[in-house]
Amino acid sequence: GAGVSQTPSNKVTEKGKYVELRCDPISGHTALYWYRQSLGQGPEFLIYFQGTGAADDSGLPNDRFFAVRPEGSVSTLKIQRTERGDSAVYLCASSLGAGGRLETQYFGPGTRLLVL
Amino acid sequence: AQKVTQAQTEISVVEKEDVTLDCVYETRDTTYYLFWYKQPPSGELVFLIRRNSFDEQNEISGRYSWNFQKSTSSFNFTITASQVVDSAVYFCALTGNTGGFKTIFGAGTRLFVKA
Repeated sequence: GAGVSQTPSNKVTEKGKYVELRCDPISGHTALYWYRQSLGQGPEFLIYFQGTGAADDSGLPNDRFFAVRPEGSVSTLKIQRTERGDSAVYLCASSLGAGGRLETQYFGPGTRLLVL
Repeated sequence: AQKVTQAQTEISVVEKEDVTLDCVYETRDTTYYLFWYKQPPSGELVFLIRRNSFDEQNEISGRYSWNFQKSTSSFNFTITASQVVDSAVYFCALTGNTGGFKTIFGAGTRLFVKA
Protein backbone atom coordinates (compact mmCIF):
# COMPACT_ATOMS: atom_id res chain seq x y z
CA GLY A 1 0.00 0.00 0.00
CA ALA A 2 0.98 3.62 -0.33
CA GLY A 3 3.12 5.21 2.33
CA VAL A 4 2.97 8.71 3.71
CA SER A 5 3.15 11.28 0.95
CA GLN A 6 4.08 14.95 1.23
CA THR A 7 3.77 17.79 -1.22
CA PRO A 8 5.55 19.73 -2.44
CA SER A 9 8.87 17.97 -2.18
CA ASN A 10 10.65 21.30 -2.35
CA LYS A 11 9.43 24.81 -1.68
CA VAL A 12 11.36 28.03 -2.13
CA THR A 13 9.78 31.20 -0.84
CA GLU A 14 10.71 34.70 0.15
CA LYS A 15 10.88 36.03 3.66
CA GLY A 16 7.50 37.23 4.80
CA LYS A 17 5.46 34.99 2.52
CA TYR A 18 2.88 32.39 3.55
CA VAL A 19 3.37 28.69 2.80
CA GLU A 20 1.30 25.54 3.10
CA LEU A 21 2.78 22.07 3.30
CA ARG A 22 0.58 19.03 2.77
CA CYS A 23 0.72 15.55 4.25
CA ASP A 24 -1.32 12.53 3.15
CA PRO A 25 -0.98 9.77 5.78
CA ILE A 26 -1.17 6.03 5.31
CA SER A 27 -4.77 5.01 4.74
CA GLY A 28 -6.45 4.04 8.00
CA HIS A 29 -3.91 5.78 10.24
CA THR A 30 -5.69 8.06 12.68
CA ALA A 31 -2.59 9.56 14.27
CA LEU A 32 -0.54 12.12 12.39
CA TYR A 33 2.62 13.99 13.40
CA TRP A 34 4.61 16.91 12.05
CA TYR A 35 8.33 17.31 12.68
CA ARG A 36 10.96 19.80 11.60
CA GLN A 37 14.48 18.66 10.77
CA SER A 38 17.25 21.20 10.52
CA LEU A 39 20.50 20.37 8.79
CA GLY A 40 22.58 17.92 10.76
CA GLN A 41 19.93 17.42 13.43
CA GLY A 42 17.32 14.86 14.31
CA PRO A 43 13.64 15.56 13.74
CA GLU A 44 12.03 17.91 16.23
CA PHE A 45 8.40 17.39 17.20
CA LEU A 46 5.90 20.07 16.19
CA ILE A 47 2.35 18.76 16.54
CA TYR A 48 0.36 15.56 16.94
CA PHE A 49 -3.16 14.90 15.69
CA GLN A 50 -5.47 12.14 16.82
CA GLY A 51 -8.25 12.18 14.25
CA THR A 52 -9.26 15.75 13.47
CA GLY A 53 -8.03 17.32 16.67
CA ALA A 54 -4.58 18.51 17.63
CA ALA A 55 -3.89 16.43 20.74
CA ASP A 56 -0.54 18.11 21.35
CA ASP A 57 0.69 21.27 19.65
CA SER A 58 3.34 22.12 22.22
CA GLY A 59 6.16 21.79 19.69
CA LEU A 60 4.97 24.60 17.44
CA PRO A 61 7.64 27.28 17.82
CA ASN A 62 5.34 30.31 17.72
CA ASP A 63 1.98 31.53 16.49
CA ARG A 64 3.18 31.82 12.90
CA PHE A 65 2.87 28.04 12.69
CA PHE A 66 -0.51 26.35 12.48
CA ALA A 67 -1.73 22.95 11.33
CA VAL A 68 -5.12 21.52 10.47
CA ARG A 69 -6.58 18.13 9.70
CA PRO A 70 -10.26 18.87 9.02
CA GLU A 71 -11.40 15.42 7.93
CA GLY A 72 -9.01 13.31 9.95
CA SER A 73 -6.89 12.34 6.99
CA VAL A 74 -4.87 14.92 5.03
CA SER A 75 -3.12 17.55 7.11
CA THR A 76 -1.78 20.95 6.16
CA LEU A 77 1.00 22.75 8.00
CA LYS A 78 0.72 26.49 7.52
CA ILE A 79 3.50 28.97 8.13
CA GLN A 80 2.77 32.69 8.07
CA ARG A 81 5.30 35.49 7.57
CA THR A 82 8.09 33.04 6.90
CA GLU A 83 11.56 33.77 8.24
CA ARG A 84 14.92 32.51 7.06
CA GLY A 85 15.17 30.46 10.24
CA ASP A 86 12.14 28.43 9.15
CA SER A 87 14.25 26.82 6.44
CA ALA A 88 14.33 23.10 7.17
CA VAL A 89 12.88 19.79 6.08
CA TYR A 90 9.35 19.34 7.37
CA LEU A 91 8.52 15.71 7.97
CA CYS A 92 5.13 14.14 8.41
CA ALA A 93 4.52 10.76 10.02
CA SER A 94 1.46 8.66 10.73
CA SER A 95 0.60 5.72 12.93
CA LEU A 96 -2.42 3.51 13.46
CA GLY A 97 -3.54 5.54 16.45
CA ALA A 98 -5.06 2.71 18.41
CA GLY A 99 -2.13 2.43 20.80
CA GLY A 100 -1.55 6.10 21.39
CA ARG A 101 1.77 7.78 20.87
CA LEU A 102 3.84 4.77 21.84
CA GLU A 103 3.18 3.35 18.38
CA THR A 104 5.64 3.13 15.55
CA GLN A 105 5.48 6.16 13.30
CA TYR A 106 5.95 5.87 9.55
CA PHE A 107 7.51 8.88 7.88
CA GLY A 108 7.00 10.62 4.58
CA PRO A 109 9.83 11.90 2.37
CA GLY A 110 9.54 15.42 3.72
CA THR A 111 9.18 18.89 2.24
CA ARG A 112 12.38 20.85 1.97
CA LEU A 113 11.54 24.50 2.68
CA LEU A 114 13.97 27.25 1.80
CA VAL A 115 13.18 30.80 2.82
CA LEU A 116 15.26 33.37 0.98
CA ALA B 1 13.42 15.73 30.88
CA GLN B 2 14.02 13.21 28.17
CA LYS B 3 17.15 13.10 26.11
CA VAL B 4 18.75 10.88 23.47
CA THR B 5 22.47 11.10 22.87
CA GLN B 6 24.26 9.71 19.86
CA ALA B 7 27.83 10.62 20.59
CA GLN B 8 29.19 9.44 17.25
CA THR B 9 28.60 12.13 14.66
CA GLU B 10 30.17 10.24 11.77
CA ILE B 11 31.59 6.77 11.32
CA SER B 12 33.48 5.53 8.31
CA VAL B 13 34.11 1.82 7.71
CA VAL B 14 35.18 -0.39 4.86
CA GLU B 15 32.70 -2.83 3.41
CA LYS B 16 32.35 -6.10 5.36
CA GLU B 17 33.46 -4.52 8.62
CA ASP B 18 31.14 -4.69 11.60
CA VAL B 19 30.04 -1.37 13.06
CA THR B 20 28.19 -0.41 16.25
CA LEU B 21 26.19 2.78 16.59
CA ASP B 22 25.78 3.97 20.15
CA CYS B 23 22.63 5.38 21.72
CA VAL B 24 22.28 6.54 25.31
CA TYR B 25 18.99 7.85 26.62
CA GLU B 26 17.67 9.65 29.68
CA THR B 27 14.14 9.38 30.97
CA ARG B 28 12.30 9.15 34.27
CA ASP B 29 9.45 7.23 32.70
CA THR B 30 8.92 3.61 33.58
CA THR B 31 7.09 3.01 30.32
CA TYR B 32 8.80 4.05 27.14
CA TYR B 33 9.76 2.87 23.69
CA LEU B 34 13.05 3.10 21.89
CA PHE B 35 13.39 3.20 18.13
CA TRP B 36 16.02 3.17 15.45
CA TYR B 37 15.40 4.81 12.09
CA LYS B 38 17.55 4.93 8.96
CA GLN B 39 17.63 8.04 6.77
CA PRO B 40 19.24 7.32 3.40
CA PRO B 41 20.26 10.16 1.07
CA SER B 42 16.73 10.23 -0.34
CA GLY B 43 15.67 11.71 3.01
CA GLU B 44 12.84 9.40 4.06
CA LEU B 45 13.11 8.00 7.58
CA VAL B 46 12.84 4.22 7.48
CA PHE B 47 11.71 2.41 10.61
CA LEU B 48 14.11 -0.34 11.72
CA ILE B 49 13.10 -1.49 15.19
CA ARG B 50 11.00 -0.66 18.24
CA ARG B 51 11.73 -1.94 21.72
CA ASN B 52 9.62 -1.33 24.82
CA SER B 53 11.07 -0.64 28.24
CA PHE B 54 9.92 -3.96 29.66
CA ASP B 55 11.65 -6.08 27.06
CA GLU B 56 15.41 -6.19 27.36
CA GLN B 57 15.85 -9.09 25.01
CA ASN B 58 18.37 -8.40 22.33
CA GLU B 59 17.16 -8.76 18.79
CA ILE B 60 18.74 -9.87 15.57
CA SER B 61 17.33 -9.26 12.12
CA GLY B 62 19.60 -10.40 9.35
CA ARG B 63 22.79 -8.33 9.55
CA TYR B 64 21.25 -5.99 12.14
CA SER B 65 21.26 -6.54 15.86
CA TRP B 66 20.28 -4.42 18.83
CA ASN B 67 21.53 -4.48 22.41
CA PHE B 68 19.18 -2.89 24.95
CA GLN B 69 20.58 -2.45 28.46
CA LYS B 70 18.44 -0.56 30.97
CA SER B 71 21.25 -0.64 33.54
CA THR B 72 23.33 1.66 31.33
CA SER B 73 20.38 3.34 29.54
CA SER B 74 21.76 2.25 26.22
CA PHE B 75 20.23 0.88 23.04
CA ASN B 76 23.09 0.17 20.65
CA PHE B 77 22.77 -0.95 17.06
CA THR B 78 25.26 -3.21 15.30
CA ILE B 79 25.53 -3.84 11.58
CA THR B 80 27.45 -6.99 10.76
CA ALA B 81 29.38 -7.26 7.48
CA SER B 82 28.44 -3.72 6.44
CA GLN B 83 27.57 -2.95 2.85
CA VAL B 84 27.70 0.24 0.82
CA VAL B 85 23.90 0.37 0.86
CA ASP B 86 24.06 0.76 4.64
CA SER B 87 25.47 4.27 4.16
CA ALA B 88 22.94 6.61 5.72
CA VAL B 89 22.19 8.64 8.81
CA TYR B 90 20.85 6.54 11.65
CA PHE B 91 18.64 8.01 14.37
CA CYS B 92 17.83 6.65 17.78
CA ALA B 93 14.56 7.90 19.30
CA LEU B 94 12.64 7.65 22.55
CA THR B 95 8.92 7.96 23.24
CA GLY B 96 7.87 8.11 26.86
CA ASN B 97 4.95 9.46 28.81
CA THR B 98 6.65 12.57 30.17
CA GLY B 99 5.22 15.61 28.45
CA GLY B 100 2.56 13.71 26.61
CA PHE B 101 4.45 10.94 24.87
CA LYS B 102 6.58 13.09 22.62
CA THR B 103 9.15 11.33 20.49
CA ILE B 104 12.64 12.66 21.07
CA PHE B 105 15.29 11.98 18.45
CA GLY B 106 19.03 11.94 18.82
CA ALA B 107 21.16 14.05 16.51
CA GLY B 108 21.96 11.04 14.35
CA THR B 109 25.08 9.17 13.32
CA ARG B 110 26.20 9.40 9.70
CA LEU B 111 27.60 6.08 8.54
CA PHE B 112 29.85 5.90 5.49
CA VAL B 113 30.57 2.43 4.14
CA LYS B 114 33.32 2.44 1.56
CA ALA B 115 33.68 -0.26 -1.07
